Amino acid sequence: DAGVIQSPRHEVTEMGQEVTLRCKPISGHDYLFWYRQTMMRGLELLIYFNNNVPIDDSGMPEDRFSAKMPNASFSTLKIQPSEPRDSAVYFCASRKLPSYEQYFGPGTRLTVT
Amino acid sequence: DAKTTQPNSMESNEEEPVHLPCNHSTISGTDYIHWYRQLPSQGPEYVIHGLTSNVNNRMASLAIAEDRKSSTLILHRATLRDAAVYYCILQQGSQGNLIFGKGTKLSVKP
Repeated sequence: DAGVIQSPRHEVTEMGQEVTLRCKPISGHDYLFWYRQTMMRGLELLIYFNNNVPIDDSGMPEDRFSAKMPNASFSTLKIQPSEPRDSAVYFCASRKLPSYEQYFGPGTRLTVT
Repeated sequence: DAKTTQPNSMESNEEEPVHLPCNHSTISGTDYIHWYRQLPSQGPEYVIHGLTSNVNNRMASLAIAEDRKSSTLILHRATLRDAAVYYCILQQGSQGNLIFGKGTKLSVKP
């Protein structure tokens, strides 16, 4: 298996623009997680899905952030409008019960100028 | 969420064992102890997990104190590739979220 796939790997955008990050989980996995990592705050869980249904979005920082999972093999994290403080590395991870292991993607490095 | 305390950084020599400590004095009976590591410019990677008993796998060993208030990740022979940030995480039950702390940055000297 190719592992968790994220695109793009790098994104540079201007403040106010819409940004869409994409994730393809490992086939057959039933959980999908979105994390954000910054130097100041470390690795934070934003939202997670179980069988394509959002379960906990309490980590989403504000209404500018939204996430969808239209099917078992694809998820998006959208920021609209983007702000410089959104600059971070965004990771997607997936998991298959009953395993405890989360498999992380390589991340998307977002820079908002 | 139950918290963990780890040293900010540790150093090791190549091919020597490394013991990475973690304190979790507020752990509850259903909390699992997980260890992940993050190599430079990569996503976190699962290392090992346990509940009460010591655990071994191909990557490492996990020693859990009898009162479960602390644990130690053991790398039996450190290699340069083991240089990473190691996170000790408590997971509430089998389906709880992983709450990452700041971790321990391990440096390995040749």
